Amino acid sequence: NAGVTQTPKFRILKIGQSMTLQCTQDMNHNYMYWYRQDPGMGLKLIYYSVGAGITDKGEVPNGYNVSRSTTEDFPLRLELAAPSQTSVYFCASIIDMNTEAFFGQGTRLTVV
Amino acid sequence: TQLLEQSPQFLSIQEGENLTVYCNSSSVFSSLQWYRQEPGEGPVLLVTVVTGGEVKKLKRLTFQFGDARKDSSLHITAAQPGDTGLYLCAGQYYNQGGKLIFGQGTELSVKP
Repeated sequence: NAGVTQTPKFRILKIGQSMTLQCTQDMNHNYMYWYRQDPGMGLKLIYYSVGAGITDKGEVPNGYNVSRSTTEDFPLRLELAAPSQTSVYFCASIIDMNTEAFFGQGTRLTVV
Repeated sequence: TQLLEQSPQFLSIQEGENLTVYCNSSSVFSSLQWYRQEPGEGPVLLVTVVTGGEVKKLKRLTFQFGDARKDSSLHITAAQPGDTGLYLCAGQYYNQGGKLIFGQGTELSVKP
């Protein structure tokens, strides 16, 4: 019973490098989300998707891109990494509006 | 742009004390959720409130949804050290296509 799986768990990037954070869910959930969380703070929405082929910007989308080619996968792409993108990234999914969000274990990213 | 204002941001109390955390918005929620997050983990759902004026209880935790569906509170009675953690409110709004926004979080520390 995997739920929401994120990879990698940890990553160190140099300034200007690119990477993709992977997120996959096996619950057939329609809605998927990417958040970033800075120490002791809440979650800020980066991008979200209400179904395959549909994505939309959240509160802090600059410097990121997403795609949703299948229901299961929602990768987050960082182009030209910057120190300000050092954070913990969480992927989440819900089956429908007003239902419980299930989260992955997070990816701790450091940009140096 | 919808904002979820959560207060207080930090709370340090003694075991046995009561506390209340608030979550407010200028917009009407279709639903509001409360999550708890432990260090190194993703948030876990405590409760979902949908109906204006709704009150839900979970052992020593009481959740209220405002009549106008713009605010919510979490009250903990006789706090225990095991209640220590980050508490997050999260809301979905009407006509926002599935966007799920989180408040800034309340870091609660309960000392024995």
